[in-house]
Amino acid sequence: RKEVEQDPGPFNVPEGATVAFNCTYSNSASQSFFWYRQDCRKEPKLLMSVYSSGNEDGRFTAQLNRASQYISLLIRDSKLSDSATYLCVVNGGSSNTGKLIFGQGTTLQVKP
Amino acid sequence: NAGVTQTPKFRILKIGQSMTLQCAQDMNHNYMYWYRQDPGMGLKLIYYSVGAGITDKGEVPNGYNVSRSTTEDFPLRLELAAPSQTSVYFCASSLLSEQFFGPGTRLTVL
Repeated sequence: RKEVEQDPGPFNVPEGATVAFNCTYSNSASQSFFWYRQDCRKEPKLLMSVYSSGNEDGRFTAQLNRASQYISLLIRDSKLSDSATYLCVVNGGSSNTGKLIFGQGTTLQVKP
Repeated sequence: NAGVTQTPKFRILKIGQSMTLQCAQDMNHNYMYWYRQDPGMGLKLIYYSVGAGITDKGEVPNGYNVSRSTTEDFPLRLELAAPSQTSVYFCASSLLSEQFFGPGTRLTVL
């Protein structure tokens, strides 16, 4: 089983749609959770951290379910500029090395 | 601040050649990392460092070496290039949990 699993997609949605991505992780000791965004042929950049109580940043909402080891990202009112690959990222357990484990990413294509 | 810089941007190597991928950061971050990303795949950790003079293996270290003589620099060395090392290589640094990435080096081994 992969340490971080995501549906690779692609998800093709029209502008204005709401889309949700899910991710599961295998290490129950993981403490930190993130969503990164990666544009084609570019480096990953942090989109948002994911907190236990859930958190929102504009049109983006992230949720964490520790019991099910499940993370989600909801994007409302999709824009063309949201087209990218979204990487689910989990820290590598309780060790203090800053190591992150990356999922393979979910590709989103927003169409006009 | 330049952030994380990587050189070269592109490189083509012949099988058996050696090269060093350069990475530097000017944010005074203690942690630095090297990843590789194959097409359609996530990032795999090659090596990481928690501070100058300290390095450790990641998930896929075979065929690579690193050194960390200063806080700023974290070069990645390929000694005997193989076609399996064709990939995009990203360097990253962090102070706490957020990692900042360089623009990547696209390496092809023929």
